[in-house]
Amino acid sequence: DVKVTQSSRYLVKRTGEKVFLECVQDMDHENMFWYRQDPGLGLRLIYFSYDVKMKEKGDIPEGYSVSREKKERFSLILESASTNQTSMYLCASRMVLGNQPQHFGDGTRLSIL
Amino acid sequence: AQTVTQSQPEMSVQEAETVTLSCTYDTSENNYYLFWYKQPPSRQMILVIRQEAYKQQNATENRFSVNFQKAAKSFSLKISDSQLGDTAMYFCALSGGSNYKLTFGKGTLLTVNP
Repeated sequence: DVKVTQSSRYLVKRTGEKVFLECVQDMDHENMFWYRQDPGLGLRLIYFSYDVKMKEKGDIPEGYSVSREKKERFSLILESASTNQTSMYLCASRMVLGNQPQHFGDGTRLSIL
Repeated sequence: AQTVTQSQPEMSVQEAETVTLSCTYDTSENNYYLFWYKQPPSRQMILVIRQEAYKQQNATENRFSVNFQKAAKSFSLKISDSQLGDTAMYFCALSGGSNYKLTFGKGTLLTVNP
């Protein structure tokens, strides 16, 4: 089974802090994704990565950046956290061959105080 | 631009009965994929079923089946013999052609009552 692991289930940070959310997958998937999930809005794509060192903005990239130095790891960075970034963050990965579906991690519930 | 619309924010069903969740979409792609994902309370999002647009036959996975109406751009999910463990948020999602980004609907919260 595919395993997508997010480093924290719950995280509390303060306004202005630099926040790192980590995601690791163990299936050598090329594509990785970061979403945020808010009630009534569904999932919205923040950034995704085609492969190592490759990234592309999603629908709501403002206030976020990403890093993918190794194939298995995709990091989401909140440069200066703000209260409106309080949300559930979901990471996903996907194999390109065969247009496979995305597999999700458990999510990180981030609170910015 | 792709859009996915789930018009039912919440639904409920009695255990052992059948329920249908609605989803409509819009895309300019000729080749695309449709998905239903399930997210149980405080648990991981998992894939329930997927449909490739070029396939006319509706996908089926055990108690889960879809009614794919390509001309109407409709993709509903039918759950037969509902079980308490089916209680979850259900998301309809679309990825178009070579663009493997997923566009999600806002979700339908399904509650199965004993």
